[in-house]
Amino acid sequence: GNSVTQMEGPVTLSEEAFLTINCTYTATGYPSLFWYVQYPGEGLQLLLKATKADDKGSNKGFEATYRKETTSFHLEKGSVQVSDSAVYFCALTSRSSASKIIFGSGTRLSIRP
Amino acid sequence: NAGVMQNPRHLVRRRGQEARLRCSPMKGHSHVYWYRQLPEEGLKFMVYLQKENIIDESGMPKERFSAEFPKEGPSILRIQQVVRGDSAAYFCASSPNTPGDVTEAFFGQGTRLTVV
Repeated sequence: GNSVTQMEGPVTLSEEAFLTINCTYTATGYPSLFWYVQYPGEGLQLLLKATKADDKGSNKGFEATYRKETTSFHLEKGSVQVSDSAVYFCALTSRSSASKIIFGSGTRLSIRP
Repeated sequence: NAGVMQNPRHLVRRRGQEARLRCSPMKGHSHVYWYRQLPEEGLKFMVYLQKENIIDESGMPKERFSAEFPKEGPSILRIQQVVRGDSAAYFCASSPNTPGDVTEAFFGQGTRLTVV
């Protein structure tokens, strides 16, 4: 079945450091890929998405590129801020799992001032 | 356009009581999903509903849990005879069409259930 595997946390970085959170997926067909962010005590918010191979999603300085050859959708940001501290979830949907969004286990990110 | 509204935000129940969690989807959305999040864990799919229909309940425990999405009114997740292990955050999400059509889901802020 379809699944998402993401980098285990927690990840702790200093402000202005470069961030990568790895995400790989297994899916039949052509999934759409998402990154969601969850701030403390809040629900999930969509951060960015990509719907086909080689698409790059971007938002708030974060980027992720849909790589079909490596089945990956790694999240990157060039210079993180304290306000980026949150839990990040990689997710996919596809017609073969049309009834639900499948999430990775989440990666907690903490940024030190 | 208000977002997905869940209530209550916090719910405390004693063991053996019933918990009712409500979710009003975004205007124009006819698909609702419920997820459960245990402390420090990811999101586990529970159930997917359209108006008056349960489409996929493969993540729902077989006993004590039920969900509905009536023609009028919010979606309800009902947990009967709650136990301590039901303590979690329950998130609702809505979308205007099936996820296979690429539209993302929009999440509510969750209901945090504590069973004492």
